[in-house]
Amino acid sequence: GAGVSQSPSNKVTEKGKDVELRCDPISGHTALYWYRQSLGQGLEFLIYFQGNSAPDKSGLPSDRFSAERTGGSVSTLTIQRTQQEDSAVYLCASSARDRGAGYTFGSGTRLTVV
Amino acid sequence: SQQGEEDPQALSIQEGENATMNCSYKTSINNLQWYRQNSGRGLVHLILIRSNEREKHSGRLRVTLDTSKKSSSLLITASRAADTASYFCATDKLDSSYKLIFGSGTRLLVRP
Repeated sequence: GAGVSQSPSNKVTEKGKDVELRCDPISGHTALYWYRQSLGQGLEFLIYFQGNSAPDKSGLPSDRFSAERTGGSVSTLTIQRTQQEDSAVYLCASSARDRGAGYTFGSGTRLTVV
Repeated sequence: SQQGEEDPQALSIQEGENATMNCSYKTSINNLQWYRQNSGRGLVHLILIRSNEREKHSGRLRVTLDTSKKSSSLLITASRAADTASYFCATDKLDSSYKLIFGSGTRLLVRP
């Protein structure tokens, strides 16, 4: 597609439930990133995928968070047993392999845990 | 942990004035990038400056980079109400990782 697509746009879930967030990167972009942004804050790095290399998971806040990227394209971020502190906007971005390329962000998924 | 810190946290100016935002960072970098965010959703890439560059222009935007001071500035000239947004700097650290580390942002309000 023309841009990075994220779904759902908004998600309200009950505490303790699992959620899955989806990201469709720009076709041909080999790098895919997940960030989290709490209200009024900066972006917190979560995880990074690059081609077939092992993902950089160093930003995942707990073992309740996991992500996968199938076929080098679509990615799913899964949060198990959601907690209220997980409420945030989850942003996905993709970029070309070239280190001089900027990121293209999706519009994000606003997750609210009640 | 945050690599970049923007200053000021918030800025309010009159339409037509110039807006200057600053960013400081801690470690050596490959490049530094500026992004804009409207309404707390997706960010838009504005400009990238490499570590061997000192100044870069794009339309009404001017970015400077001082690697000796580990700082960068973003100047928006002749501001417009539509420039109202949050602006973030992001650094690509000089290591094997390719992830950008974002600062906490500057909220710019341009009053018509």
